[in-house]
Amino acid sequence: AQSVTQLGSHVSVSEGALVLLRCNYSSSVPPYLFWYVQYPNQGLQLLLKYTTGATLVKGINGFEAEFKKSETSFHLTKPSAHMSDAAEYFCAVSVTTGFQKLVFGTGTRLLVSP
Amino acid sequence: DGGITQSPKYLFRKEGQNVTLSCEQNLNHDAMYWYRQDPGQGLRLIYYSQIVNDFQKGDIAEGYSVSREKKESFPLTVTSAQKNPTAFYLCASSSFRTTRGTEAFFGQGTRLTVV
Repeated sequence: AQSVTQLGSHVSVSEGALVLLRCNYSSSVPPYLFWYVQYPNQGLQLLLKYTTGATLVKGINGFEAEFKKSETSFHLTKPSAHMSDAAEYFCAVSVTTGFQKLVFGTGTRLLVSP
Repeated sequence: DGGITQSPKYLFRKEGQNVTLSCEQNLNHDAMYWYRQDPGQGLRLIYYSQIVNDFQKGDIAEGYSVSREKKESFPLTVTSAQKNPTAFYLCASSSFRTTRGTEAFFGQGTRLTVV
């Protein structure tokens, strides 16, 4: 079964520091992978997605992720954290089981300190 | 603007009552989904629908029911059989049915609390 695992339920960084949020996937077929962000009491907003082609994917708000097949990873990074980046981040994989659905990881809460 | 509208944003339910959460989309998407979110557990799929008048159970359907009478609407009823209904509920839609790899679009969620 296709799934994703997010390492670390909480990540703390200082403003201006590198952000690294980890996601590993399990899939027997080429995966379609997504990163979403959720601010408190709101829905999910797509940051970026990997389908095919270039393995380095750029998203909104300065985030990017690199698909590494050899490591079964799709980690999310941002060179310099802003206070406004504090939110919960979800990695997801598109699963085909007769229809398409997204299977989500358990989420990583990013805390940004001044 | 196209999007997904969930209502109400906050809902309080007494034990033993059924409540219905509304979800409307104007994105012309065929597929619609209901997810439940609990702290530390990510999002879990309750029900999904690929087309009008058809829907399927997801991973945690017990105690929930849905209908899909119109393409735009996918209401979720939380019944008294749901033992622990307090959670954040998210509705989503997608053109998955026609295009693999397309993302899902989410509403702003409904926070349900049992009092």
